[in-house]
Amino acid sequence: GAVVSQHPSWVICKSGTSVKIECRSLDFQATTMFWYRQFPKQSLMLMATSNEGSKATYEQGVEKDKFLINHASLTLSTLTVTSAHPEDSSFYICSARTGIGTEAFFGQGTRLTVV
Amino acid sequence: GNSVTQMEGPVTLSEEAFLTINCTYTATGYPSLFWYVQYPGEGLQLLLKATKADDKGSNKGFEATYRKETTSFHLEKGSVQVSDSAVYFCAYEGPGGSYIPTFGRGTSLIVHP
Repeated sequence: GAVVSQHPSWVICKSGTSVKIECRSLDFQATTMFWYRQFPKQSLMLMATSNEGSKATYEQGVEKDKFLINHASLTLSTLTVTSAHPEDSSFYICSARTGIGTEAFFGQGTRLTVV
Repeated sequence: GNSVTQMEGPVTLSEEAFLTINCTYTATGYPSLFWYVQYPGEGLQLLLKATKADDKGSNKGFEATYRKETTSFHLEKGSVQVSDSAVYFCAYEGPGGSYIPTFGRGTSLIVHP
């Protein structure tokens, strides 16, 4: 199947700093990418949907100014957690697909720990 | 609204036991249904899927049948292995949810030798 690469796999940062997570589709063009957040032993909660070249659509309750999403090309989307706090510590997973009705492929996830 | 409900875990089985993980959904229209598996510390992998009623998805010995009459998509495997230990997520994607993959809360499976 297609490969979605997420980087870094894990990151530890200090409170107040910003962290950028990259999501790349390695062998296909991803018109749509999704960003999820997963708390321990819980399901994936959709944070936002991004389409290449346009602004991301955020789910209710997700702070746009805190979780900056950029989908500048058909193979790259980034999630920047700004002014991170310990409560932002979580597992973040991206997903990419070529279009509606096509299979969504998932990155391996990024474990963010804010200290 | 649209949702996916999975049975609570963890499910603990001995090797070679029969596995069933229940999943039911509420959705408008005719969604596609999926099972994903997440191994410890990893992202999600698609295990199997079904796109219309009565379809059966299968992979690696796992099966699930899209039952429209009962709005269910239960995951089964006849003989589990220790390597099947993981978290399993039922998900759907369809017109009622703007075709965005929506997940159940996941069911942890622990298989003992």
